[in-house]
Amino acid sequence: QVQLQESGPGLVKPSETLSLTCTVSGDSINNYYWSWVRQPPGKGLEWIGYIHYSGNTNYNPSLKSRVTISIDTSKNQFFLNLNSVTAADTAVYYCVRGYYDSRGYSNPFDPWGQGTLVTVSS
Amino acid sequence: DVVMTQSPDSLAVSLGERATINCKSSQTVLYSSDNKNYLAWYQQKPGQPPKLFIYWASTRESGVPDRFSGSGSGTDFTLTISSLQAEDVALYYCQQYLHTPRTFGQGTKVEIK
Repeated sequence: QVQLQESGPGLVKPSETLSLTCTVSGDSINNYYWSWVRQPPGKGLEWIGYIHYSGNTNYNPSLKSRVTISIDTSKNQFFLNLNSVTAADTAVYYCVRGYYDSRGYSNPFDPWGQGTLVTVSS
Repeated sequence: DVVMTQSPDSLAVSLGERATINCKSSQTVLYSSDNKNYLAWYQQKPGQPPKLFIYWASTRESGVPDRFSGSGSGTDFTLTISSLQAEDVALYYCQQYLHTPRTFGQGTKVEIK
């Protein structure tokens, strides 16, 4: 069964770049679309963006100017970079499988990584 | 963006009683080409990631107890817990996966009365 695990710094300074890695195990990253979703403390869920193994990406317009998602198929990993962070970017960041399935049809997010809390503070 | 609005924000129900959560989308999530509602429900317990519970508005994910049911079409949807159990205490989110960007409701907190 596929499992996802986020990793990266838990503390980032304002104006710097938040960088996270998602390691996928139990399945090839080549078969699906992969997304990042975040959840500020005590708040709701926000989709950040997705990537396909082909390199095709799409980002939430609310974050598009600051977000880059990339992939390393040889390592079964994908990555999130969010630049110029502020306190409003403090959140639990989840990597998830989904947006489209392997055939290109829209699908829900499943499964989810455990999430990693990133705090933006000086 | 498609706005997903859940009601209520929280509810307290006695053990064994019915709990009902509503979700309304600002645009239809019924896709005419396949007549499917692109609506999912997730359960999130404290300190855990959301877990997919229901998709296509009414299809339970494997392992989800049958006391959970989803209904609705178009813009109005409902998640029902027919007989609330202690382990059902959680946050529940609806999400549309037809339109870009994907969007979630604000969440509904279910507690024991």
